[in-house]
Amino acid sequence: GQNIDQPTEMTATEGAIVQINCTYQTSGFNGLFWYQQHAGEAPTFLSYNVLDGLEEKGRFSSFLSRSKGYSYLLLKELQMKDSASYLCAGLDSNYQLIWGAGTKLIIKP
Amino acid sequence: GAVVSQHPSRVICKSGTSVKIECRSLDFQATTMFWYRQFPKKSLMLMATSNEGSKATYEQGVEKDKFLINHASLTLSTLTVTSAHPEDSSFYICSAAPLQNSYNEQFFGPGTRLTVL
Repeated sequence: GQNIDQPTEMTATEGAIVQINCTYQTSGFNGLFWYQQHAGEAPTFLSYNVLDGLEEKGRFSSFLSRSKGYSYLLLKELQMKDSASYLCAGLDSNYQLIWGAGTKLIIKP
Repeated sequence: GAVVSQHPSRVICKSGTSVKIECRSLDFQATTMFWYRQFPKKSLMLMATSNEGSKATYEQGVEKDKFLINHASLTLSTLTVTSAHPEDSSFYICSAAPLQNSYNEQFFGPGTRLTVL
């Protein structure tokens, strides 16, 4: 079956760095997405990886290892507004998104 | 940037009534639109994939007669929840895939919170 695993909740301190891990099992693979979702709002796109390696975009970076079925989202210089849920989603061979349940990130002052 | 709107943002209705939710891509054409529902603290659940001019493809377990989807144009898809019941209360989100770049990015609407009394 297809599955996306990510931690349910993480806590970090303002100004620090946090890494949110995601492991995936999909039927075929056409890329991995990270989305940010604030409570009561729709997800917003953060990153898309289809090749191995690290992609940096400002304070956020995303890493992919296809051989390990593993990705992480790295958030640097954490700000209070980064408190949100972070959703990992894999794109399978039918180009359907398989969603993880999301990681709720709590930022403390 | 690509913008997707949804209307209404919130709706409260009585049990047994039908509710229509619109999803529009404002500055791009979307061959494909997706409809999701999300329960509190849960991930998004894909309900159906809507292609312009053809019938929607529903996910297993989603009742096509209850959740009517119409994708009439390249910028508009509608979801009608027929004979709504309290268990249909949820957050409904649409997303749209641009015509030329259909799969590696979806743009999400702001969502519609449906409450059925």
